[in-house]
Amino acid sequence: EVQLVESGGGVVRPGGSLRLSCAASGFIFDDYDMTWVRQVPGKGLEWLSHINWNGGGTVYGDSVEGRFTISRDNAKNSLYLQIHSLRAEDTALYHCARVGRESGSYFDYWGQGTLVSVSS
Amino acid sequence: QSALTQPASVSGSPGQSITISCTGTSSDVGAYNYVSWYQQQPGRAPKLILYHVNKWPSGVSSRFSGSKSGTTASLTISGLQAEDEADYYCCSYSGSTTWVFGGGTKVTVV
Repeated sequence: EVQLVESGGGVVRPGGSLRLSCAASGFIFDDYDMTWVRQVPGKGLEWLSHINWNGGGTVYGDSVEGRFTISRDNAKNSLYLQIHSLRAEDTALYHCARVGRESGSYFDYWGQGTLVSVSS
Repeated sequence: QSALTQPASVSGSPGQSITISCTGTSSDVGAYNYVSWYQQQPGRAPKLILYHVNKWPSGVSSRFSGSKSGTTASLTISGLQAEDEADYYCCSYSGSTTWVFGGGTKVTVV
């Protein structure tokens, strides 16, 4: 069974940093690209970042470019999101998701998310 | 990367069919047949229900169907059931390994 479990969220002051983790199991992790998506409580989904299967290619959404860094450790079956210069508008539930194999254009499994709250 | 446009809410009676629209631009929905739809029930992770406009992942009911015309994609739920109450999000590939989501539609079974 495919499982994605996020961790690392919490309450952080504006300007602070966090590293989110996503532990993957139930599939061959380095066969798949991965992505991060966030959801402001009660609001919609926002795609944030993508990383290819070996970590050699990364892409970011306009709203997080330069502040967020996606990475992965295939030996540990883990995906990461390093977040810097946190702002109030970064308060959200952060989901990791697996990118589907057919043309890599959809997200076929999601984690439950880890909550980041930015507050002074 | 502006969000795709979805109606905020749609409702229907059990057994009816409802359709949710998802309007984008010529850079996303209109450019690629890579529209996917996700169902999110309260407190749960999003679940993929359609990809590549109208393909079903394994285990998803055929009561969900998708289509696309120009810059607008649509999700139709046939034979509406109480368990279909959820939020539904469309998503389109928008080139250069980027994606854009819709704002979400709350489906209510009345």
